[in-house]
Amino acid sequence: EVKLVESGGGLVQPGGSLRLSCVASGISFSNSWMAWVRQAPGKGLQWVANINTDGSDKSHVDSVRGRFTISRDNAKNSLYLQMDSLRVEDTAVYYCARDPHFAAVDHWGQGMLVTVSS
Amino acid sequence: DLVMTQSPLSLPVAPGQSASISCRSSQSLVYSDGNTYLTWFQQRPGQSPRRLIYEVSKRDSGVPDRFSGSGSGTDFTLKISRVEAEDVGVYYCMQGTHWPPTFGQGTKVEIK
Repeated sequence: EVKLVESGGGLVQPGGSLRLSCVASGISFSNSWMAWVRQAPGKGLQWVANINTDGSDKSHVDSVRGRFTISRDNAKNSLYLQMDSLRVEDTAVYYCARDPHFAAVDHWGQGMLVTVSS
Repeated sequence: DLVMTQSPLSLPVAPGQSASISCRSSQSLVYSDGNTYLTWFQQRPGQSPRRLIYEVSKRDSGVPDRFSGSGSGTDFTLKISRVEAEDVGVYYCMQGTHWPPTFGQGTKVEIK
């Protein structure tokens, strides 16, 4: 059974930082492209970032570039999202996801709520 | 960013009837390798999304054959035949051909 388990979310003030983590099991993590996708409360889905198998190739959408950084540790089967300079509009459930091919996510985590508010 | 437009945004369907969701992209989704990277996801209330269809029409393992995808270029359709209560949720199309990947607004399917 595939499991992607996120942690690290919570309440943070605008301008603050958080680091999300995702531990994967049931997949060949080191051979998998991975991604973060978010969903603001009551809204649709938005791609945030993805990363290749060895971490050498990362892409972030414009709205988070320069503030968020995706990374991974294959020895720990773990994916991360470092979020700095957080804004109110970053409030969302963040999903860890496996991206097998051209963003066609085939496995999703349960999601982790990040709330940015003063 | 490439815009994905779904219609309708709300779709009440009687049990046993069919439902169709349209998804249109602002540019062709045909990639240079000849493939079209259009994916459909289902999100049931309170759950994470689940992939149903990838590359326009390839159905995932475990997805009922009541679900089918079709289309080409910029116009795509998800059809649900014989809608059941478990099909209630929001359906999203998503393109992965052009960076960044983008989703449609979502179509909420409910049972009449």
